[in-house]
Amino acid sequence: EPEVTQTPSHQVTQMGQEVILRCVPISNHLYFYWYRQILGQKVEFLVSFYNNEISEKSEIFDDQFSVERPDGSNFTLKIRSTKLEDSAMYFCASRSGTENEKLFFGSGTQLSVL
Amino acid sequence: QQQVKQSPQSLIVQKGGISIINCAYENTAFDYFPWYQQFPGKGPALLIAIRPDVSEKKEGRFTISFNKSAKQFSLHIMDSQPGDSATYFCAASSNIRSGAGSYQLTFGKGTKLSVIP
Repeated sequence: EPEVTQTPSHQVTQMGQEVILRCVPISNHLYFYWYRQILGQKVEFLVSFYNNEISEKSEIFDDQFSVERPDGSNFTLKIRSTKLEDSAMYFCASRSGTENEKLFFGSGTQLSVL
Repeated sequence: QQQVKQSPQSLIVQKGGISIINCAYENTAFDYFPWYQQFPGKGPALLIAIRPDVSEKKEGRFTISFNKSAKQFSLHIMDSQPGDSATYFCAASSNIRSGAGSYQLTFGKGTKLSVIP
């Protein structure tokens, strides 16, 4: 089965630093998403992206966050100035956009902000 | 109104038994109800999903029961196996039929299932 690939699997950073989390969605998918999961908590929606623009974002996705699809394969999440509370597992997801609404999740990037 | 409430938080079931996880929602605009299975170190993987126009959907050992009037849905795992031990999340979303780009899944808090031999 095709997979969503995320790198790195773990990222440690100092508070105030910028981080970029990278994702390679499934090749023929058109809709891309970022979710996050704080340890022991539920999975929370951050942002959805379609046709090279954000289609929806949550309250969590403030001005410190941005997303980009710099080329035909990568989809990135940037946090400009990380805070301690940004520590979480970040999941990238994609779906094809045809009648199949199945959302495919990557294995996640564990971000630790010190 | 966007919440999805899931119970129990953890569940221990004997091998061969039935595992039942329940979810309740408030937003009547929700029209898609998936269940996700997550193993440690992995992302959530879609297990089974239901639309509100049916009351039950079965795929192998997994069944979703849906009660639209009560705004509740549940996952039943028949003949539970140790390999089913994982965290299960219910979720809900709206506007799926429109095919819009937004696909904001609202997740429950998860149920950690342990199936003991």
